[in-house]
Amino acid sequence: AQSVTQLGSHVSVSEGALVLLRCNYSSSVPPYLFWYVQYPNQGLQLLLKYTTGATLVKGINGFEAEFKKSETSFHLTKPSAHMSDAAEYFCAVSVGSGTYKYIFGTGTRLKVLA
Amino acid sequence: GAGVSQSPSNKVTEKGKDVELRCDPISGHTALYWYRQSLGQGLEFLIYFQGNSAPDKSGLPSDRFSAERTGGSVSTLTIQRTQQEDSAVYLCASSPQSREAAFFGQGTRLTVV
Repeated sequence: AQSVTQLGSHVSVSEGALVLLRCNYSSSVPPYLFWYVQYPNQGLQLLLKYTTGATLVKGINGFEAEFKKSETSFHLTKPSAHMSDAAEYFCAVSVGSGTYKYIFGTGTRLKVLA
Repeated sequence: GAGVSQSPSNKVTEKGKDVELRCDPISGHTALYWYRQSLGQGLEFLIYFQGNSAPDKSGLPSDRFSAERTGGSVSTLTIQRTQQEDSAVYLCASSPQSREAAFFGQGTRLTVV
């Protein structure tokens, strides 16, 4: 069965420091992978996605993620954290055969310290 | 519309009452999803519609939950005989086709008292 594991329900970084949010997936077929961000009392906003092709994908707000098949990982990074990055981040995998649904991780709440 | 629209944004209901939550997807999107997000939890898949195919209902937690999508557009999620454990944010999303990135609405916050 397909699944997504996000290591660390809470991550704190200093403003200007590297952001690294971890995501590992389990899938028996080539996965489509996504990162979403959720600001308080809002819906989810797509940050970036991996479908096929280049394994390093760039998204909005300076975020990027690298698909590593050998490690079954899709970690999210940003070189320099900004206060406005404080939010909850969800990793998701698209799975199915014929019909598809998204399986989400439990989320990582990012706190940015001044 | 410009984005996925959900109504109402907030709903408070008494235990045992029925509720209907509405989702208006982005025009032209063939796939529509319902998820539930409880406090401190991730997103729980409920149901998925794709075009004219039979919906994937595998995530519905009980037979009190049902959903329909009329004319391949607007969807309604119905919860009958609501229970306190149904309190959550119900999120709707749509995508142009399967496996494409999904666009989410702002959600409906349901509180059962």
